[in-house]
Amino acid sequence: GQNIDQPTEMTATEGAIVQINCTYQTSGFNGLFWYQQHAGEAPTFLSYNVLDGLEEKGRFSSFLSRSKGYSYLLLKELQMKDSASYLCAVREVGRLAFGKGNQVVVIP
Amino acid sequence: DAGVIQSPRHEVTEMGQEVTLRCKPISGHDYLFWYRQTMMRGLELLIYFNNNVPIDDSGMPEDRFSAKMPNASFSTLKIQPSEPRDSAVYFCASSAQGATYNSPLHFGNGTRLTVT
Repeated sequence: GQNIDQPTEMTATEGAIVQINCTYQTSGFNGLFWYQQHAGEAPTFLSYNVLDGLEEKGRFSSFLSRSKGYSYLLLKELQMKDSASYLCAVREVGRLAFGKGNQVVVIP
Repeated sequence: DAGVIQSPRHEVTEMGQEVTLRCKPISGHDYLFWYRQTMMRGLELLIYFNNNVPIDDSGMPEDRFSAKMPNASFSTLKIQPSEPRDSAVYFCASSAQGATYNSPLHFGNGTRLTVT
């Protein structure tokens, strides 16, 4: 089974950097995904990590430490459109289990 | 390229009624997932299929819930009888290459179910 923990909400200023953490426990790790979900919409894929280290995609970066069961998503140069919930999801074979998400509110 | 298509977008029904949610996955994707999302519990995996075969239905809440995938382009999730606690947004998602590689899930727009 899986246990995924994410903090619930944070507020940040436009142009700033924000880090969203995710810790997990799983019996069979097969990768970690980050998704973005705007209110009333479907989750959309942001990034994937399966090996330790940092993956960078434009303004978004994601880090993974498998030994610590820990990942973070780094959002740089925040824009108003980044206001959303950010979900981490851990994949075991065949299953993808989501955390409850971290709500990021960007203010001018 | 069309994404995952779900219908209806909204469903309001009375307790005890049967509800059927529908999903058309992305063509060529061989995995299909049904999730339920609520504020309290977040996104919960209900069931997933591989090549139209149910693989893991351990997340299905109880016998009132059933899911089928009669062919590669269509799946249904049925609740009979429905109860107010079933009120949630139900998402269908599909992926290529299964869930053992870095194939992201592509989500439909969801069905918002309200049971009164």
